[in-house]
Amino acid sequence: QKEVEQDPGPLSVPEGAIVSLNCTYSNSAFQYFMWYRQYSRKGPELLMYTYSSGNKEDGRFTAQVDKSSKYISLFIRDSQPSDSATYLCAMKGGENNRLAFGKGNQVVVIP
Amino acid sequence: NAGVTQTPKFRILKIGQSMTLQCTQDMNHNYMYWYRQDPGMGLKLIYYSVGAGITDKGEVPNGYNVSRSTTEDFPLRLELAAPSQTSVYFCASSYSSSPGNTIYFGEGSWLTVV
Repeated sequence: QKEVEQDPGPLSVPEGAIVSLNCTYSNSAFQYFMWYRQYSRKGPELLMYTYSSGNKEDGRFTAQVDKSSKYISLFIRDSQPSDSATYLCAMKGGENNRLAFGKGNQVVVIP
Repeated sequence: NAGVTQTPKFRILKIGQSMTLQCTQDMNHNYMYWYRQDPGMGLKLIYYSVGAGITDKGEVPNGYNVSRSTTEDFPLRLELAAPSQTSVYFCASSYSSSPGNTIYFGEGSWLTVV
């Protein structure tokens, strides 16, 4: 089993819809969970950061972590065409303390 | 603010050639990283540095070398380029390794080895 699993998509939604993205992981030592957004031909940028289990909200974005299920989610409400990008989950923790990235999920918001 | 700057943006190399990807940051960050991103794959850490004069291997260091003579610069050297090194390379930096510290990425360098 890969350390971090993320369905690469692509995911196409109409403008205004809710986008739901998720990742699963196998390493129970992970405690820090991040979502990065990457526009085409650009570097990733940190979107959300969550420690341990729970929810975190930032504007139209909500990150959820369920450590018991080893499952994290990102929700984008009222999606906009400017949200069209690849979203990568990343997580960290344990002895290695390096960031483990998912493959990324391409999202297209259609006007 | 320039942030993390990488050069070149695009490069085509022939098998067996060598080249250096340049990376510089102007945020006075201690930590710097080199990642590679293959199509449909996540970012893989090649090398990282926790400060000037200190470097260490990441997940996929074979075929690469790095140096960190200054806080600002972290060049990545490809020796004897191979087709397997065709990828997008991202340099990144952060103030510390604490998860709460944002990692800032450069815009990427697209490398093709033919």
